[in-house]
Amino acid sequence: GENVEQHPSTLSVQEGDSAVIKCTYSDSASNYFPWYKQELGKGPQLIIDIRSNVGEKKDQRIAVTLNKTAKHFSLHITETQPEDSAVYFCAASISGGGADGLTFGKGTHLIIQP
Amino acid sequence: DTEVTQTPKHLVMGMTNKKSLKCEQHMGHRAMYWYKQKAKKPPELMFVYSYEKLSINESVPSRFSPECPNSSLLNLHLHALQPEDSALYLCASSQDLEVSYNEQFFGPGTRLTVL
Repeated sequence: GENVEQHPSTLSVQEGDSAVIKCTYSDSASNYFPWYKQELGKGPQLIIDIRSNVGEKKDQRIAVTLNKTAKHFSLHITETQPEDSAVYFCAASISGGGADGLTFGKGTHLIIQP
Repeated sequence: DTEVTQTPKHLVMGMTNKKSLKCEQHMGHRAMYWYKQKAKKPPELMFVYSYEKLSINESVPSRFSPECPNSSLLNLHLHALQPEDSALYLCASSQDLEVSYNEQFFGPGTRLTVL
């Protein structure tokens, strides 16, 4: 089955700086890669996703890049703010996020230092 | 309305109890999921329902029994649980397994403690 590796496990950045979280996946058939933000005591919130036919997607301060050849994808957050502090999970799916559910990475605890 | 609701928020039960977790969505989604999340770990898929029928059971022990009474509701019946089953149980929904891509929307979860 699919295996997703995520790094780093903890990331501390100064407010206003950029943060980058990286993930690799094992199954070349994976075609859908969402990113979730989970705050303490809450469920995961979808923040951005990318499909296998796209190399990059941007939504305001958040961007995701996908390298299918290398089987890795990354989350980029620019101009970080205190409210960006949370645990971020990457995920992959071979069925577009549907029939086989999502396989998650282990998560990155992002800490924004004021 | 892009909300998935779950009740109760917290549940404490003994190993001999029977309890149920409930999940509801009003987005017209036809696929619903149960995930289990242990502390400081990622969510792990348990069950997938499509059009009220069980599509995937990820080798979950029979002490967990899912039920989908209609397209908006998903239940998880619990019986004879073990302390290691203590976790955050997350429900999610997505449009339809027949479409190419499914954005999954998660509820806030039920924090379960088994004594």
